[in-house]
Amino acid sequence: NAGVTQTPKFRILKIGQSMTLQCTQDMNHNYMYWYRQDPGMGLKLIYYSVGAGITDKGEVPNGYNVSRSTTEDFPLRLELAAPSQTSVYFCASSQRAAGSTDTQYFGPGTRLTVL
Amino acid sequence: AQSVTQLDSQVPVFEEAPVELRCNYSSSVSVYLFWYVQYPNQGLQLLLKYLSGSTLVESINGFEAEFNKSQTSFHLRKPSVHISDTAEYFCAVSEGGGFKTIFGAGTRLFVKA
Repeated sequence: NAGVTQTPKFRILKIGQSMTLQCTQDMNHNYMYWYRQDPGMGLKLIYYSVGAGITDKGEVPNGYNVSRSTTEDFPLRLELAAPSQTSVYFCASSQRAAGSTDTQYFGPGTRLTVL
Repeated sequence: AQSVTQLDSQVPVFEEAPVELRCNYSSSVSVYLFWYVQYPNQGLQLLLKYLSGSTLVESINGFEAEFNKSQTSFHLRKPSVHISDTAEYFCAVSEGGGFKTIFGAGTRLFVKA
């Protein structure tokens, strides 16, 4: 199993450009998450999905969009990049069922700089 | 509402010395508690977790954490650290039955030779 994979690893965007961060998991997990990590701030939840076709906002969703057309993929879209979106982005997945735990498995991250 | 406070942003320590990374949480319901570790330029990995039962939980590489309900704490300890333990450590809480996990701001452990 590759686990959770993310592409690209690094990206530099100009203000106003758009891009999609890709995330794929091969563990057949039902839950998937997008976080951003800023220095000294821990991880903030952007969006999450409880299964294919179902997504919802997290703590900091403004400026982002997501979709979940398959169990495996959960892309994150930035439509109009802003300097405030400079961050490291992590995708994660977990398998939740009644009585189960929420151990999350993380991808290696995408480091995004908006200039 | 849940929250997690990691009391130290950085902890420098000499190799083979003991270390404690502190974590306090707030929640009005029962919780699951986690410690994740992030090595440089990598994603987070689960180090250990408390779900129920024994309040002392251990990881395979010598770390342990104790759930203290009265003090709402889940401090991480290791009796003797190695250079390879240098990483950032995140405490996290998930309310029982819920799926959102709240992460602390992280503690950077720096082990010196």
